[in-house]
Amino acid sequence: GAGVSQTPSNKVTEKGKYVELRCDPISGHTALYWYRQSLGQGPEFLIYFQGTGAADDSGLPNDRFFAVRPEGSVSTLKIQRTERGDSAVYLCASSPSGGDDSDTQYFGPGTRLTVL
Amino acid sequence: DQQVKQNSPSLSVQEGRISILNCDYTNSMFDYFLWYKKYPAEGPTFLISISSIKDKNEDGRFTVFLNKSAKHLSLHIVPSQPGDSAVYFCAAGDSNYQLIWGAGTKLIIKP
Repeated sequence: GAGVSQTPSNKVTEKGKYVELRCDPISGHTALYWYRQSLGQGPEFLIYFQGTGAADDSGLPNDRFFAVRPEGSVSTLKIQRTERGDSAVYLCASSPSGGDDSDTQYFGPGTRLTVL
Repeated sequence: DQQVKQNSPSLSVQEGRISILNCDYTNSMFDYFLWYKKYPAEGPTFLISISSIKDKNEDGRFTVFLNKSAKHLSLHIVPSQPGDSAVYFCAAGDSNYQLIWGAGTKLIIKP
């Protein structure tokens, strides 16, 4: 079946612009996660959705970052007033039920964001 | 403060030999550990996991060992194959969904 998909695969923007990154999880997965991976590091947790609600957004670095999942499937990560330090690969993952770390997370290929 | 550390950025192993990837952690509350594999331009894919109540878990060519007293885990791949060349990430969790990840080790299998 179809895995997690993310669009765009690459996004280049200028400092100060607004960007939206989209994630299509595996059908039927109730949990969705966003991570950010900087060069040479492992993924860093940003936010976790259980259904339509953000169950934990403690990883969002500041209020320029926001994510939604209005119908409990597709999610959009929104970054306002982008800064060069936001440049990274943004990974999305989904899992069947979420709630504990034994629920396997399936990752999309990521969106590489470059802020000039 | 890195709670999960993979101290070897890269590892080169001859095809057919054993590959051993190491991971250290500092948080004694972690109770679940996972290894993910990542190819270029793809997302990480789940490989194998282990609960803190076990000290070994095996799945085909892959075995994960956990030493809780040393706060150390390792992934053994035997025999190593060319398709195993990838970046391997160690991740740990403490009974919720949040995983803390290491920086990864790039494994290169030489023919």
